[in-house]
Amino acid sequence: EVVLTQTPGTLSLSPGERATLSCRASRRVSFNSLAWYQQKPGQSPRLLIYGASTRASGVPDRFTGSGSGTDYTLTVSRLQPEDFAFYFCQYYGDSIFSFGPGTKVDVK
Amino acid sequence: QVHLQESGPGLVRPSQTLSLTCTVSGGSITSGHYYWNWVRQHPGKGLEWIGYIYPGGRPYYSPALQNRVSLSLDSYKNQFSLNVTSVTAADTALYFCARVDYALSAGHYQYYFDSWGQGILVIVSS
Repeated sequence: EVVLTQTPGTLSLSPGERATLSCRASRRVSFNSLAWYQQKPGQSPRLLIYGASTRASGVPDRFTGSGSGTDYTLTVSRLQPEDFAFYFCQYYGDSIFSFGPGTKVDVK
Repeated sequence: QVHLQESGPGLVRPSQTLSLTCTVSGGSITSGHYYWNWVRQHPGKGLEWIGYIYPGGRPYYSPALQNRVSLSLDSYKNQFSLNVTSVTAADTALYFCARVDYALSAGHYQYYFDSWGQGILVIVSS
């Protein structure tokens, strides 16, 4: 079973700044089967990125996913007020899914 | 556009069985190539995948929960269900039903959660 670790736990930034979120897997991620989600308080998660770097439909291009092997990154180029939220990475492999513990992006 | 809605009791006694149902509307649960999932979120915490089921296939469960969890699917009612046996306070959480789709990307299939219910809070307490 692949265990995902996300850092930092909390990222405090100002609107307009760049956010860099990390997701590390306990072993190599097959086929870059790594997705990213955004969740705001009281809402369900929203898919941002799948296949490590493919943006989901309707996701602004300020969201970029990258990485390979065991290390993956979600970058938000210029934070907008609506981007302050929780972000989770997710892995699929061997017929099971797992989620990382999340990174909270809050206003500095 | 597909819509998922969880239903079930919001309070379950310790040692009892937690039973939830997800009703799918806006599309047949048997059409397409989707996996139908349950995911939970403990208060203030991250997401925990519970398991999935798909038409004509066997269910798959989280290794951490597989001894207490079962999923079933009712194609006539367009619903799928979750049972968690012998619950404790640690099972108190917001339970989501969710759909997984997959797409071909760079020569491999990528699986992702593309639709979610709003979630139902289940409290385990006497």
